[in-house]
Amino acid sequence: QSALTQPASVSGSPGQSITISCTGTGSDVGGYKYVSWYQQHAGKAPKVIIYDVSNRPSGVSNRFSGSKAGITASLTISGLQAEDEADYYCSSFTSSYTVVFGGGTKLTVL
Amino acid sequence: EVQLVQSGAEVKKPGESLRISCRGSGYSFIGYWISWVRQMPGKGLEWMGRIDPSDSYTDYSPSFQGHVSLSVDQSISTAYLQWSSLKASDTATYYCARHAACPNHCWSWFDPWGQGTLVTVSS
Repeated sequence: QSALTQPASVSGSPGQSITISCTGTGSDVGGYKYVSWYQQHAGKAPKVIIYDVSNRPSGVSNRFSGSKAGITASLTISGLQAEDEADYYCSSFTSSYTVVFGGGTKLTVL
Repeated sequence: EVQLVQSGAEVKKPGESLRISCRGSGYSFIGYWISWVRQMPGKGLEWMGRIDPSDSYTDYSPSFQGHVSLSVDQSISTAYLQWSSLKASDTATYYCARHAACPNHCWSWFDPWGQGTLVTVSS
């Protein structure tokens, strides 16, 4: 099972919007609604910010949004803030009844 | 408060066995699956497998099948990740994470996560 493909890094200035892509196959991202996104600050455990492609858990800022088109899912963060600087991971359920993560994207707020 | 609390850091030698734990509290332990996730130093997240605490049914990633085993002790609301023979390449931080509720969201997301257990394997 290969990892989902994410850009290694993205950056943006405070107040701007950025989008992180997550590309899989028809056997994972493209085949199911079970795509989620996690934020991980340095030295901390991951935290879910998007589930089922585009849903936000209670307490997560509405500056975070998710979408999917075909085999590619996307996470958009609007109104960038310094506290958003972290690593971001997508994940998906697969046809083998497993979970696969993306390689991770390091977000730098300039 | 729903939380998962993991056992402390471990230092082991290659070939040794190890079991690390993840104790759930603040919810019905047998009602939610638990997954384990590896993060090697400076690297990304890797899903290892999951266990259903109600019946100990497991699914494993092909990358970890046969090298690790998952188990639970319902009486103390604790899930375990075990190795019978560690390798240096097992050096990593291991997280446990609770799945969302079944049947509709079994695979939807992981929350909460444990604080992580650092395992160092070195001769």
